[in-house]
Amino acid sequence: DTAVSQTPKYLVTQMGNDKSIKCEQNLGHDTMYWYKQDSKKFLKIMFSYNNKELIINETVPNRFSPKSPDKAHLNLHINSLELGDSAVYFCASSRRQLGYTFGSGTRLTVV
Amino acid sequence: ILNVEQSPQSLHVQEGDSTNFTCSFPSSNFYALHWYRWETAKSPEALFVMTLNGDEKKKGRISATLNTKEGYSYLYIKGSQPEDSATYLCATNTGNQFYFGTGTSLTVIP
Repeated sequence: DTAVSQTPKYLVTQMGNDKSIKCEQNLGHDTMYWYKQDSKKFLKIMFSYNNKELIINETVPNRFSPKSPDKAHLNLHINSLELGDSAVYFCASSRRQLGYTFGSGTRLTVV
Repeated sequence: ILNVEQSPQSLHVQEGDSTNFTCSFPSSNFYALHWYRWETAKSPEALFVMTLNGDEKKKGRISATLNTKEGYSYLYIKGSQPEDSATYLCATNTGNQFYFGTGTSLTVIP
């Protein structure tokens, strides 16, 4: 029983394509997040979302958009992929800010 | 965006040595401090969540302390073992935002 699952684990795609990464949590958590791990292994927040509020880090390009069909899912959609989008993306969830549970990451490579 | 800083950036210790590292964070609007253990090719695993000034938490050989007034937390590992080799991340949160430090990479040499 994976608590936070991301698919796919690996994604190789060409520049200009549109792609989505899916995230699902079965913990009953109320908030979900997307993080991008940069080249220095630093986790940078991209979005946080609960059923009431979407908080977007203003540094995130508008080519990135979160889509939440329900409380258990927060998918990341990326339009017009660029080389610089290559990174590992982590989904996470939390309940009442009491710590995260992370997914195992999606390694995106744009060629 | 809050600055959460960790030191040292990396650390090599001999098996059996005890070690500690630091997480510093802005003390204003503090809600909670989190420590994570992150092994290569895996997702970060939660170790501790601390909210109160003076909190101390322990799990086996690993313990952590919290000083919210001066904005720092220490993570201690007693009698380091090779399996302790990992990156240790701290994070603080205010509201719905979590802010991570860059981690301390620990290598325990057998």
